[in-house]
Amino acid sequence: EAQVTQNPRYLITVTGKKLTVTCSQNMNHEYMSWYRQDPGLGLRQIYYSMNVEVTDKGDVPEGYKVSRKEKRNFPLILESPSPNQTSLYFCASSLGPNTDTQYFGPGTRLTVL
Amino acid sequence: GDSVTQMEGPVTLSEEAFLTINCTYTATGYPSLFWYVQYPGEGLQLLLKATKADDKGSNKGFEATYRKETTSFHLEKGSVQVSDSAVYFCALTSHTNAGKSTFGDGTTLTVKP
Repeated sequence: EAQVTQNPRYLITVTGKKLTVTCSQNMNHEYMSWYRQDPGLGLRQIYYSMNVEVTDKGDVPEGYKVSRKEKRNFPLILESPSPNQTSLYFCASSLGPNTDTQYFGPGTRLTVL
Repeated sequence: GDSVTQMEGPVTLSEEAFLTINCTYTATGYPSLFWYVQYPGEGLQLLLKATKADDKGSNKGFEATYRKETTSFHLEKGSVQVSDSAVYFCALTSHTNAGKSTFGDGTTLTVKP
């Protein structure tokens, strides 16, 4: 089944404790992206990747890191999480960056205390 | 930068009512336009898309037409069902800034029997 998977689905952590949210797709997509969803703010793009070893900042990259060492994986790293990073995070992938449909993962709900 | 403005919600309709959710955008060049739907507890999924001016996207009775002259992509459905209750997001992907995606704030639709 074609899908985007994210882990963990739920996470409660404390300020400053490094964490990684994994994202994996099995559709051989070139493009992957991370978003955060906050009430009243819609989805905002954090980082995206056009291909392996190619990443770029979205609209809200501060406090986040990403890497794209393999085509299928695109982990999101929070080196020192803060409470304002409490949010619902979505990973997405698509064949290409412009006209193609993005396929979204199920989301990761992160709470930083 | 690019932006998407959606009709504010929430929207509550009775079953079989006509639905319109307005979406206007600001973008450099000619973006691709999308409507995504998010059911409770799930990730986003594509509802329909249009990649050039005057294109009409349609799916499951929903329609939207890419209007360059009014920079709009309004979502319509002639007769909504209870199962259409969800959050709807208008989005664009930039052709001049490949990889960037911009989403609206989302409109929550509730359909009552």
